[in-house]
Amino acid sequence: GNSVTQMEGPVTLSEEAFLTINCTYTATGYPSLFWYVQYPGEGLQLLLKATKADDKGSNKGFEATYRKETTSFHLEKGSVQVSDSAVYFCALKDGGYQKVTFGTGTKLQVIP
Amino acid sequence: NAGVTQTPKFQVLKTGQSMTLQCAQDMNHNSMYWYRQDPGMGLRLIYYSASEGTTDKGEVPNGYNVSRLNKREFSLRLESAAPSQTSVYFCASSEAGTLNTGELFFGEGSRLTVL
Repeated sequence: GNSVTQMEGPVTLSEEAFLTINCTYTATGYPSLFWYVQYPGEGLQLLLKATKADDKGSNKGFEATYRKETTSFHLEKGSVQVSDSAVYFCALKDGGYQKVTFGTGTKLQVIP
Repeated sequence: NAGVTQTPKFQVLKTGQSMTLQCAQDMNHNSMYWYRQDPGMGLRLIYYSASEGTTDKGEVPNGYNVSRLNKREFSLRLESAAPSQTSVYFCASSEAGTLNTGELFFGEGSRLTVL
């Protein structure tokens, strides 16, 4: 079956530090990959996505590249802000299936 | 622009009580989902409805029932609540079929505590 593994948190960074959150996946087909973000007290919202190998998704300074050879989709940001403090979820949708599979989430705390 | 609306936002139940979580979306989406979120376990799919009139089990359906009332509304019912059902519940919706890019639109969540 499909699965998503992401690094455990919490991750604590100082403002303007570089962020990497690792995500690897297992899928039977050719999935689309996603990063969702959950701010405190809110539901999840889509941050970025990539639908095929070597695609790069980007939004709000965050980037992730779909690496088929390493089955990875690591999230990066060059300079984090306090407002980026949230829980980040990696997810996949396998082409023929309706369901989206989520990782366990990584909590990011950015301190001034 | 409401998006996905869930009610109630908070609920405390005693073991054995029943309740229904309501969800409505105004984006004309065909597919709707119920997830639960637990610490260290991420989001797990309880039930989903690919289109009006159909429902299917997800990863953790035991103890729950759902009703797709119409295209807009998808409710989740706990017939006899148990402490293990203490969680935050999220409703989500998406396009279906060839329009389904996998992007889900989530409600703000319903925090349920079962004593």
